[in-house]
Amino acid sequence: GAVVSQHPSWVICKSGTSVKIECRSLDFQATTMFWYRQFPKQSLMLMATSNEGSKATYEQGVEKDKFLINHASLTLSTLTVTSAHPEDSSFYICSAVEGALEETQYFGPGTRLLVL
Amino acid sequence: DAKTTQPTSMDCAEGRAANLPCNHSTISGNEYVYWYRQIHSQGPQYIIHGLKNNETNEMASLIITEDRKSSTLILPHATLRDTAVYYCIAGSSNTGKLIFGQGTTLQVKP
Repeated sequence: GAVVSQHPSWVICKSGTSVKIECRSLDFQATTMFWYRQFPKQSLMLMATSNEGSKATYEQGVEKDKFLINHASLTLSTLTVTSAHPEDSSFYICSAVEGALEETQYFGPGTRLLVL
Repeated sequence: DAKTTQPTSMDCAEGRAANLPCNHSTISGNEYVYWYRQIHSQGPQYIIHGLKNNETNEMASLIITEDRKSSTLILPHATLRDTAVYYCIAGSSNTGKLIFGQGTTLQVKP
């Protein structure tokens, strides 16, 4: 099946710094990528939809200036958490879909962020 | 996006079929039924999806009622490795968005 990778798998940073998370589709071209976050013992929450070459669409309540998303190519999307604070500590997961939007979304393994 | 309702938890004996129900009574015509599962601290794993017809793949079968208001995921021979949280999602073919609910925690017991 299709493979999606994320880097790094975990990161610890100081409060106020920015952190970049990469999401790559390894064996297919992803027309659309999605970013989610998951807090402990909770379900995944969709943050934004990312299309190659265009601005991301953010879900209600997600600060676009805090969570910068760039989808520079059909195989790479990045999420930058700017000026991270402890409440941004979470599990960040991306997914990618090839072709039509009703096709299978493949998820990455997730990135665990801890902000001290 | 249609809301889905699933039981919070279920148990299944190893080797037996696991039948996981899902209610999606407000599903619209352009929404597919997707099933994913998540094992602790990992990204969700795709299982199966369908629109109207029943579907089967190497992992599972998906049975969708004729009125599309509910569905059942069937794992034919559950193993201990199938212990996970299973999510049933009504996903829009217009946006591709998957809105995750709380899912069903399936515990497969020896």
